[in-house]
Amino acid sequence: RKEVEQDPGPFNVPEGATVAFNCTYSNSASQSFFWYRQDCRKEPKLLMSVYSSGNEDGRFTAQLNRASQYISLLIRDSKLSDSATYLCVVADYGQNFVFGPGTRLSVLP
Amino acid sequence: DAGVIQSPRHEVTEMGQEVTLRCKPISGHDYLFWYRQTMMRGLELLIYFNNNVPIDDSGMPEDRFSAKMPNASFSTLKIQPSEPRDSAVYFCASHLAGSRHEQYFGPGTRLTVT
Repeated sequence: RKEVEQDPGPFNVPEGATVAFNCTYSNSASQSFFWYRQDCRKEPKLLMSVYSSGNEDGRFTAQLNRASQYISLLIRDSKLSDSATYLCVVADYGQNFVFGPGTRLSVLP
Repeated sequence: DAGVIQSPRHEVTEMGQEVTLRCKPISGHDYLFWYRQTMMRGLELLIYFNNNVPIDDSGMPEDRFSAKMPNASFSTLKIQPSEPRDSAVYFCASHLAGSRHEQYFGPGTRLTVT
């Protein structure tokens, strides 16, 4: 079993749609959780950290369920510019960052 | 700040040749990471340094790979000899301890070994 697993993509959605991505992790000692975004042929960039109580940043909402070892990302009112690959990232107490395989999102006009 | 700088951006080499990838982290960052990304395996951590000292190299695929960080502003990843299966995008990232753990990635080096 892979350490971090994500929904297989691609997700093709119309502009304005709401889309949700799921991620599960296997290491129960994981302490830090993130969503990164990677555009085609570019480097990954931090989208948002994920906190235990859940957190929101504009149209983006992240949730964490430690008991189920599950992380989610919700994008509301999707824009064409949201088209990218979304990477779930999990880290332990050290600096061991494990990236999920990513889920590709295409927002269509 | 210019961000994380990597060179070269593209490298095409023949099997058996030595390849050296270079990275300059963001000034003041005390962690440096080397990753490899392929379609098949995704983004994999190869090695990371803290204050120029290698901390975890368990992700380095084999002895053909080596990494150094002679000072706080420079790191290299060397492959000798290179093989076609080493073809990938290699990213360097840096991070400041005590921050919210955000890693800043360089633009990557796209390596093709023929």
